[in-house]
Parts: sequence; C-alpha cells; structure tokens
Amino acid sequence: GAVVSQHPSRVICKSGTSVKIECRSLDFQATTMFWYRQFPKQSLMLMATSNEGSKATYEQGVEKDKFLINHASLTLSTLTVTSAHPEDSSFYICSAKWGGNYEQYFGPGTRLTVT
Amino acid sequence: GENVEQHPSTLSVQEGDSAVIKCTYSDSASNYFPWYKQELGKGPQLIIDIRSNVGEKKDQRIAVTLNKTAKHFSLHITETQPEDSAVYFCAAIGSGNTPLVFGKGTRLSVIA
Repeated sequence: GAVVSQHPSRVICKSGTSVKIECRSLDFQATTMFWYRQFPKQSLMLMATSNEGSKATYEQGVEKDKFLINHASLTLSTLTVTSAHPEDSSFYICSAKWGGNYEQYFGPGTRLTVT
Repeated sequence: GENVEQHPSTLSVQEGDSAVIKCTYSDSASNYFPWYKQELGKGPQLIIDIRSNVGEKKDQRIAVTLNKTAKHFSLHITETQPEDSAVYFCAAIGSGNTPLVFGKGTRLSVIA
C-alpha cells in the first residue's frame, strides 16, 4: 500500500509556543490530505481537509487560526499548532489520498504534549 | 450526513477462535467501506475494504461482508492470533471527495 510519513513522532513543547507537524506521502501524489486528532480510547476526529494549492476546509469547532494547515505540494502538508496549551495535547494523525480515489492512507501519528 | 455505528466496543476471544465486528451506516449513497487496524501508539492501517457492488471480500484470514439493503457491513477474522489484538475501526464514504466517517472502534483482545 501507499506510504505516509509524519514528523516528528513525538514532541513536547511549552505552553504558549508553536509546533509544526509534517505529513508526507512517500510514493504517491496526495491531492487531498486530512488531519485528525485522537484522544485516548476514542475514535479519530476530523479536524480539516486540505487540497493541494487550496485553503484547508476546517470542521465545525476547529479554530483555523490556531491550527494552521498548509498543503503547498503534492507530497507535503503541515499542521502548525499555534500558542499551544495543555488541552491541545493529543495524538495528531494525517491521512492522504489521490484524485477521486476512495482509499485513504494514514501516517503513523504525532504525539503532542504541551507542558 | 453519514453516521456509522460500530459494535461491540470491546471483544475478547480465545486464540484460534473467530472474531466478528459489525457496523451500520445511515446514508444509502455510501459506497465504500474500509476497515482499519490501529495498534497502540500508531496510525490506522487499512486492512481490507469493500465497495457497494460487491457483497463479500476475503484476504487470507480477514473477510468483509456488505448488506446494502440493511445498510450494514461486518469484519470477520478467523483463526485469531495474539498479534490481531488492536483497535479496529470501520468507516463509510459516499464519494471520493468527501471525508471518511468512522465508527467508534472495537478493542479486540486475543487471549493466548
């Protein structure tokens, strides 16, 4: 199957700082990428959908100014958590697909801890 | 919009037994149904999927069945092994341009 990577796998940051998470499709062109967050023992919660070269579409309740998403190329999308607070601590996962295909492939996730 | 219900939330089976996880969906327009396996601390891994023009699909010990009339689909794992222990998510989607809608997940434990 297609491979999606994320970097970093774990990050600890101090409250008030910003942190950037990268999502890369390694062997295909990702025209669409999705960002999810997942709390312990819960399902995946979609945060936003980004299409290459376009502004991201955020789900209701997700602050676009706090979670900045950039999908500047067909292989890279970034999520920047700005002015992070302890409640932003979570497992962030991206997924990618190409064209109108249904299949979505997920990255390994990034564990963010805000102290 | 689409709503996906998944049962059971937890499932324990003896090694070698079969495990069945069921999902129902609400949108009759949905036509793609993937299953993901998520191990602790990792991202979900696509293990099998089925499209609405197919009633059953099998890949070694894993099979998925789909009943479009009843709007439900199921994951079947035979001859379970300890490494099958994980959280399994079902999902549904209506078109290639819309996000997946996930069930709440099933925590499967295979007891050796």
